[in-house]
Amino acid sequence: NAGVMQNPRHLVRRRGQEARLRCSPMKGHSHVYWYRQLPEEGLKFMVYLQKENIIDESGMPKERFSAEFPKEGPSILRIQQVVRGDSAAYFCASSPLGEKLFFGSGTQLSVL
Amino acid sequence: ELKVEQNPLFLSMQEGKNYTIYCNYSTTSDRLYWYRQDPGKSLESLFVLLSNGAVKQEGRLMASLDTKARLSTLHITAAVHDLSATYFCAATPGGGADGLTFGKGTHLIIQP
Repeated sequence: NAGVMQNPRHLVRRRGQEARLRCSPMKGHSHVYWYRQLPEEGLKFMVYLQKENIIDESGMPKERFSAEFPKEGPSILRIQQVVRGDSAAYFCASSPLGEKLFFGSGTQLSVL
Repeated sequence: ELKVEQNPLFLSMQEGKNYTIYCNYSTTSDRLYWYRQDPGKSLESLFVLLSNGAVKQEGRLMASLDTKARLSTLHITAAVHDLSATYFCAATPGGGADGLTFGKGTHLIIQP
């Protein structure tokens, strides 16, 4: 059973471009979470999704950020018109029933 | 709003010594999570503490939870170099794993 798969591991974008981060949960897991980690900081919750539904997006910035978890395929975190302040590590986690979380290896986003 | 505070944020200790990391949280949370993160890596789940008075041990690490005091501790016994990492605690107001709130982490260095 493969773990939570995130890609890409590293993503470099120029200001104003779009960033798409992908997350495939562990097999059998229907709950997906996205977190952002700034250097020397803990993880900040962004959004919690189940298949085709956003359950809690209280941690998502109101503009430029969106997330989806379609019926088929990975969960996508999309950041439009990236700015330097978006540079961070973005972690995805999945769980089977909303209990223990299993984290992916993260995507390090660098905005030039 | 749930706040999670860890202390110390940085700890340097020698092998063979004992030490405790503290995690305080501000509002009711029925469960408390401890994670380990190595530099540039993802988070590894260490413990999930589900009830008041819960104590779990794995090797040289022992975690406990006091929900009345809103305090969890991670105790390290006879530290070894391999335990060097950043340790995070996380709590959730909802009782499940929804939207975990993380502390800033304790950066632990164990010197030979």
